Amino acid sequence: DAKTTQPTSMDCAEGRAANLPCNHSTISGNEYVYWYRQIHSQGPQYIIHGLKNNETNEMASLIITEDRKSSTLILPHATLRDTAVYYCIVRVGSMDTGRRALTFGSGTRLQVQP
Amino acid sequence: GAGVSQSPSNKVTEKGKDVELRCDPISGHTALYWYRQSLGQGLEFLIYFQGNSAPDKSGLPSDRFSAERTGGSVSTLTIQRTQQEDSAVYLCASSTGTTYYEQYFGPGTRLTVT
Repeated sequence: DAKTTQPTSMDCAEGRAANLPCNHSTISGNEYVYWYRQIHSQGPQYIIHGLKNNETNEMASLIITEDRKSSTLILPHATLRDTAVYYCIVRVGSMDTGRRALTFGSGTRLQVQP
Repeated sequence: GAGVSQSPSNKVTEKGKDVELRCDPISGHTALYWYRQSLGQGLEFLIYFQGNSAPDKSGLPSDRFSAERTGGSVSTLTIQRTQQEDSAVYLCASSTGTTYYEQYFGPGTRLTVT
């Protein structure tokens, strides 16, 4: 699995867009970028994933660079409830025959300020 | 729709007692995972069920841990002769079985062994 690098922490003002970067320079062609978050004392929450095209859902947008070596998760209008640790992981998709268990690195601690 | 549910939400037990933790996955999800997370730590994979295939038990820390999944739906994780080091949040997640890393987590069971 490709290694990912994320900033340790970020602050964002409530109502503003939160842009969380992730570097994955060793990503291979069949690996997807997944984003999860974990709010304090809750289980992890799937946010979004993508292969090479930008993706958007009701929670967030995922922008993947053309060379796929980095990506940005965008929360368009951050709220206090978005305060959490955000994890970027890279995994092979559905043809993977491995264990398919999730492992998280250190992630980015996002603090949304009122 | 309904998400992953787990019960009980909290369990306090005495050292040496057996405990059973229950997970009800999202309807139609063929893959089910158990993880545990100790305070301030990352996810630790325990066991993985996929359809009718033999479960991947490679993450179970000792033979005191076992899990079953009946009828391809509800799963029970059993810990026999609990030890204090078993204290953790036990998380269950399910996925469709095709997009393996898009996993949906339950709220967890906080187990405290006294």
